Amino acid sequence: GAVVSQHPSRVICKSGTSVKIECRSLDFQATTMFWYRQFPKQSLMLMATSNEGSKATYEQGVEKDKFLINHASLTLSTLTVTSAHPEDSSFYICSARDQEGAHGELFFGEGSRLTVL
Amino acid sequence: DQQVKQNSPSLSVQEGRISILNCDYTNSMFDYFLWYKKYPAEGPTFLISISSIKDKNEDGRFTVFLNKSAKHLSLHIVPSQPGDSAVYFCAASGTSGTYKYIFGTGTRLKVLA
Repeated sequence: GAVVSQHPSRVICKSGTSVKIECRSLDFQATTMFWYRQFPKQSLMLMATSNEGSKATYEQGVEKDKFLINHASLTLSTLTVTSAHPEDSSFYICSARDQEGAHGELFFGEGSRLTVL
Repeated sequence: DQQVKQNSPSLSVQEGRISILNCDYTNSMFDYFLWYKKYPAEGPTFLISISSIKDKNEDGRFTVFLNKSAKHLSLHIVPSQPGDSAVYFCAASGTSGTYKYIFGTGTRLKVLA
């Protein structure tokens, strides 16, 4: 199946700093990628839909200025957590479909564990 | 507003028996459903999907049943194996522009040897 890769898998940062997480589709092009966040023992919460060449679409309650998303190419989307605080500590997961404009399997990255001290 | 719900946070099943995981949804516009399996600190992996035009889809040990009138779907795993122990998420999507998926809250399955 299609492969989605995330980097870094684990990052620890100090409060107030910014952290960038990359999501790459390795063997397919994705005009749309999705960013999820998972709290301990909770569901995957959709944060935003990343659109190649245009602005991301954020879900209700997700701060656009806090979670900057850039989808500069058909194989790369980045999520930047700006001015990170301990409450931003979480497991962030990106995903993409290899078929645009249709239902299909959603391929997930390995996830990135962010810990803000 | 949780549009996709998995009311059982955990389930324990004996090896070799059937595991049944349930999922309910509220949005009648959802027309495509998937089940994912997730191990700790990893991204989810796809298991099986079903379109709303079907009421059953089978793939090896995994079968998904869809009851549209009840807005309910279930995943059957038979026979259950210890390696099936993981968190299972159902996800639903409608025919919106980006076909975004909404995930349920997850059910932790433990298969006892």
